[in-house]
Amino acid sequence: DQQVKQNSPSLSVQEGRISILNCDYTNSMFDYFLWYKKYPAEGPTFLISISSIKDKNEDGRFTVFLNKSAKHLSLHIVPSQPGDSAVYFCAASAFSGNQFYFGTGTSLTVIP
Amino acid sequence: EAGVVQSPRYKIIEKKQPVAFWCNPISGHNTLYWYRQNLGQGPELLIRYENEEAVDDSQLPKDRFSAERLKGVDSTLKIQPAELGDSAVYLCASSFRDRNEKLFFGSGTQLSVL
Repeated sequence: DQQVKQNSPSLSVQEGRISILNCDYTNSMFDYFLWYKKYPAEGPTFLISISSIKDKNEDGRFTVFLNKSAKHLSLHIVPSQPGDSAVYFCAASAFSGNQFYFGTGTSLTVIP
Repeated sequence: EAGVVQSPRYKIIEKKQPVAFWCNPISGHNTLYWYRQNLGQGPELLIRYENEEAVDDSQLPKDRFSAERLKGVDSTLKIQPAELGDSAVYLCASSFRDRNEKLFFGSGTQLSVL
């Protein structure tokens, strides 16, 4: 049972435009969410996180939005750069549950 | 600061053979995770350690998989015997467990079982 879902396997965006990656979750106990970026043949690297007490967190070109009522979060990258081309995973946890659940990933391609 | 180190990077074995993966976490991180990532999927937890104790191994196939974390630092994951379906990337991650926990991953071991 997939508790974290990324329904778009791939996304292509022109350089300089906004990239929006989406993630849905089913477990209402999740209260902490992370985004990871993965290049081929490398492990995932942490990008940005958000706790359920917030609905937005920003770090440079990256912003994560959380809509708890819809059980939905999104990652916005503005402006998109070719170096952002990678697979992006969202992950969720309930602190009391002690485990991170990952989505299946979205492959982002930024076209120069 | 050194990151999470895993070895080997790649391993090709025949089915029914044993295989072992090694992980050295970031210094000071008390929590260590082993994840398996199948092609086109996200990482799935196999086992989580807090210091030396395996606190969540509910998803570890215990008939063929075993793991240990020596002195609460390095960890080894073993498969014996390997099956074709074990082909995947095995990722180790470590963290300092607090309210804003972030996992730091190694580069993974790409296992191919022929």
